[in-house]
Amino acid sequence: KAGVTQTPRYLIKTRGQQVTLSCSPISGHRSVSWYQQTPGQGLQFLFEYFSETQRNKGNFPGRFSGRQFSNSRSEMNVSTLELGDSALYLCASSLDPSGGELFFGEGSRLTVL
Amino acid sequence: QQQVKQSPQSLIVQKGGIPIINCAYENTAFDYFPWYQQFPGKGPALLIAIRPDVSEKKEGRFTISFNKSAKQFSLHIMDSQPGDSATYFCAASKEGGKLIFGQGTELSVKP
Repeated sequence: KAGVTQTPRYLIKTRGQQVTLSCSPISGHRSVSWYQQTPGQGLQFLFEYFSETQRNKGNFPGRFSGRQFSNSRSEMNVSTLELGDSALYLCASSLDPSGGELFFGEGSRLTVL
Repeated sequence: QQQVKQSPQSLIVQKGGIPIINCAYENTAFDYFPWYQQFPGKGPALLIAIRPDVSEKKEGRFTISFNKSAKQFSLHIMDSQPGDSATYFCAASKEGGKLIFGQGTELSVKP
């Protein structure tokens, strides 16, 4: 069974640009969550989607957005990039949002110059 | 109230030692406490998890001890091996909601 797949794995952008990251959950998993990981702030929750609906949102500015498609695949978008957005963005999937195990992908490492 | 505080930040033990990582939380509504292991370049992977109705759970060499009254839980790694060298995160959530992670502990097990 394939794990959570995130693309791209690495990307470099400049301030002011926007970026879209993609996540394919484990087959059969319908819940997708996104986390930002930085050395200073650790792992911080961005948002969670289930059945194409945003179920939960973390404390991030509106520049961070996401969506989920009918096949459970998810994308997150960051607009007007800032230097502080440099981070590892992790996607995690679970069967449903009942509090069970989250399976993480390897992340998309974003560097903003 | 949403924080999970983890200590120590880093830990070095000899092979065969028993590293202990501690976490404390404030929100008594939390009902799920997992531990994740992360190797460099990889995403976190679930090691073991506990719910507040039990005080201890063992899976292989990994044990979670849970103290509901003190609002603390800890991870013990028995007979630690160099392959256990990784960053460990505790976390907590309530009612299937978002996971609140601790700051992480970088463990190094020396041969």
